[in-house]
Amino acid sequence: AQKVTQAQTEISVVEKEDVTLDCVYETRDTTYYLFWYKQPPSGELVFLIRRNSFDEQNEISGRYSWNFQKSTSSFNFTITASQVVDSAVYFCALFTNQAGTALIFGKGTTLSVSS
Amino acid sequence: KAGVTQTPRYLIKTRGQQVTLSCSPISGHRSVSWYQQTPGQGLQFLFEYFSETQRNKGNFPGRFSGRQFSNSRSEMNVSTLELGDSALYLCASSGGDRDTQTQYFGPGTRLLVL
Repeated sequence: AQKVTQAQTEISVVEKEDVTLDCVYETRDTTYYLFWYKQPPSGELVFLIRRNSFDEQNEISGRYSWNFQKSTSSFNFTITASQVVDSAVYFCALFTNQAGTALIFGKGTTLSVSS
Repeated sequence: KAGVTQTPRYLIKTRGQQVTLSCSPISGHRSVSWYQQTPGQGLQFLFEYFSETQRNKGNFPGRFSGRQFSNSRSEMNVSTLELGDSALYLCASSGGDRDTQTQYFGPGTRLLVL
């Protein structure tokens, strides 16, 4: 079965703090794709990053970085020097052939950044 | 490129009524997926259409249906509305030239059933 777990329900930080959002996934497929989406209060899910199961190279993009580790089935997301505009709900999602074309989402982590 | 658009953005209906939501995908995308988001169940997959055919379906009752037109625009319909159908309905499109797995979401339609 496919499953995505985001153990952190809510995280509160003060501006300029670094914050890491955790994501653990389960799948028996050898080929799969992992995603992070951001959902601000407006409701739209904004695509942030995609990772393929065969590409474990971690990435840094500005203040964002991602740590993909197949050995622990984790795909964590770090925001460096957080800002108030980062306040949103962040979702980790899994795409596998076994699930067809459906994205399987975690429950989301609500990040609140205060000034 | 313009993003995914959804209409209407907000909708209030009463129990027993039916509703139709519309989604226009990103130009060139041929796949449209629909998701329901509620506080209790989170984001759940409803169905996906590709080239006017339903290619995948989630675990929802038959009251939820959809279709896709030749221009890839999609509609979803919910008949005999129940209070539990109150949710944010999100549409996503995918199928760009180099990336067929990434789904790009619209702003959603907030449905309130009274």
